[in-house]
Amino acid sequence: ELVMTQSPATLSVSPGERATLSCRASQSVSSNLAWYQQKPGQAPRLLIYGASTRATGIPARFSGSGSGTEFTLTISSVQSEDFADYYCQQYNNWPLTFGQGTRLEIK
Amino acid sequence: EVQLVESGGVLVQPGGSLRLSCAASGFTFSSYDMHWVRQATGKGLEWVSAISTAGDTYYPGSVKGRFTISRENAKNSLYLQMNSLRAGDTAVYYCARGSYDSSGYTFDYWGQGTLVTVSS
Repeated sequence: ELVMTQSPATLSVSPGERATLSCRASQSVSSNLAWYQQKPGQAPRLLIYGASTRATGIPARFSGSGSGTEFTLTISSVQSEDFADYYCQQYNNWPLTFGQGTRLEIK
Repeated sequence: EVQLVESGGVLVQPGGSLRLSCAASGFTFSSYDMHWVRQATGKGLEWVSAISTAGDTYYPGSVKGRFTISRENAKNSLYLQMNSLRAGDTAVYYCARGSYDSSGYTFDYWGQGTLVTVSS
C-alpha cells in the first residue's frame, strides 16, 4: 500500500503569513495528487488536484506544487477562514490513500 | 446543484451488518464513479470503496471481503453493505463523486456523512 506522510502534524501561523504544508509519498505517484481542506463538522472540500490545478472557486492564494514523491501546498497569505485540517491524497494506485493530515492553527 | 445525501448510519453490535445509502441529485449519476470515504472521530480520512461507471469495484484490505459497494443508476443511488462489523469501523461515512478531467481525478463533491457506531 502506498503511504502518504504529511508534515508538520500541526502548523501555527498568524493571519497574513505564508503557510507551507508538505506531503511525501512512499513511491512515485507522478502528479496524481489532490489536496482537501476540512473544517470541524464539515465534509472535506477539494482544493487542488493534478498536484497543481486549483479546483473551481478556490482562491489564488492556494497553490500546489511537486511531482513524484514530494508535494507542497502553499497558502500565500493565510486568512481567518483557512484555519482547518488539510489532507493530501494520491490517486495513482489502488488502494487510494490519504495522508494523516496537517492542522493549520492560529498562532 | 449537485447533492449527495447519506443515510443508514446507526448503532450496531460487533459482528452485525448495516447498509448505507447515498442519494444523488443534480448530475447524471450513471456517468460518474462513486466512492465511500470514512473518518473516525478525531482521525483522518480513509478511503473505503469505489465503484466505476461500468460497475467495477475496488476496496482497501481493511474492508475487502466484508464491505460491498453497489449502485442503482435508475434510482440515482449508491450503497455500502457492511458485514462483520468491528469497533474499528466506527466512523462517519461520506459518499463522494469521482470526477476526471485533463488535469486529474478528484472527489469533487461530498455528502455530509452518516455516523456508524459499532459497539455492544
